[in-house]
Amino acid sequence: DQQVKQNSPSLSVQEGRISILNCDYTNSMFDYFLWYKKYPAEGPTFLISISSIKDKNEDGRFTVFLNKSAKHLSLHIVPSQPGDSAVYFCAAIIQGAQKLVFGQGTRLTINP
Amino acid sequence: DAGVIQSPRHEVTEMGQEVTLRCKPISGHNSLFWYRQTMMRGLELLIYFNNNVPIDDSGMPEDRFSAKMPNASFSTLKIQPSEPRDSAVYFCASSLRGGTGNTIYFGEGSWLTVV
Repeated sequence: DQQVKQNSPSLSVQEGRISILNCDYTNSMFDYFLWYKKYPAEGPTFLISISSIKDKNEDGRFTVFLNKSAKHLSLHIVPSQPGDSAVYFCAAIIQGAQKLVFGQGTRLTINP
Repeated sequence: DAGVIQSPRHEVTEMGQEVTLRCKPISGHNSLFWYRQTMMRGLELLIYFNNNVPIDDSGMPEDRFSAKMPNASFSTLKIQPSEPRDSAVYFCASSLRGGTGNTIYFGEGSWLTVV
């Protein structure tokens, strides 16, 4: 059973436009959510996070939105740049616990 | 600063052989995690240690997999015997216990191919 799901394996976006990556989760106990970015031949690196007490968190070009009632979160990248091309993993955790549960990942390609 | 160091970076082995993956966590970190990445399931947590003690190994797929952490600066993940379905990228990560996920640092991964 996949507790964190990213249903889009890949996404292609024009440079300068908005990229929207989606993630759904099933465990209502999760109260902290993160996005990790992964380049080829490298390990995942932390990008941005959001606590369940918020519905939005912004960091520069990156914004994460959380809809608790729908158990859905999304990552918006505006404007998209070629360097954003990577695999993006959504992850969830119960604060105080240590098990970070990841989704399958979405490969984002930014076209010039 | 040295990050999480994994070896080997690439391993190709024949079915039935023993495979040992190694990890050196970031100095001072007291939690260590082993993850496996596959296309179908993404990043799966296999096992994690706090202060060298295994805390949760419920993600270990079967008895062919074992992990040890003999000291704070070294851990191994062993597969014996290996099977083609074990082919994946295995990541080691470390953190200071009490972090909320944004303080977990991953190594570059060990790419395993079992033929």
